[in-house]
Amino acid sequence: AQSVTQLGSHVSVSEGALVLLRCNYSSSVPPYLFWYVQYPNQGLQLLLKYTTGATLVKGINGFEAEFKKSETSFHLTKPSAHMSDAAEYFCAVSAKGHAGNMLTFGGGTRLMVKP
Amino acid sequence: NAGVTQTPKFRVLKTGQSMTLLCAQDMNHEYMYWYRQDPGMGLRLIHYSVGEGTTAKGEVPDGYNVSRLKKQNFLLGLESAAPSQTSVYFCASSLAGGLMSSYNEQFFGPGTRLTVL
Repeated sequence: AQSVTQLGSHVSVSEGALVLLRCNYSSSVPPYLFWYVQYPNQGLQLLLKYTTGATLVKGINGFEAEFKKSETSFHLTKPSAHMSDAAEYFCAVSAKGHAGNMLTFGGGTRLMVKP
Repeated sequence: NAGVTQTPKFRVLKTGQSMTLLCAQDMNHEYMYWYRQDPGMGLRLIHYSVGEGTTAKGEVPDGYNVSRLKKQNFLLGLESAAPSQTSVYFCASSLAGGLMSSYNEQFFGPGTRLTVL
């Protein structure tokens, strides 16, 4: 069984400030981890993913995330927020070796960027 | 290459009515999925399919049925709609895989907003 917890359903930052969106997971097998972004009235777009190898992964639009097994975390960061980053962000986990590629999502974090 | 498309984009139903949501993908993907999105709950898997002619239940299957008669299409049916089924529905697809050595990304459609009165 897997689960994902995203701390903070809403996060507000000023333009140019650090973005930190928190994600903790639980999984009975080694996980694949993902961050998706959803802009208003659109579908989900993959930002980045961790499957194997380097624990610091870089994604699109300047985002990155670090897989920390000891902390069961996969927090998303961006050094400097842009107005265009305002969206909802979802962390998700998939179990390695499980047929079907199924994803379990967190509840989402809505990022607001103030000018 | 349209990717994943969903029909319709919006729909309003009365309690007890039925309807079918259509998902189509042109990427020759083996796996297809139906999710529902509700505020604060992220996306939850309703049903999925790992190939033409196969379907399986996800996390929240009650009140829904699905069919995968053609590889490129995945239909989600509501036989008797209830207000609790008011939600945004997303379809996704991916290549086969999910084994230890690889993971294949899910590609999402634009969603269908369904309101049940």
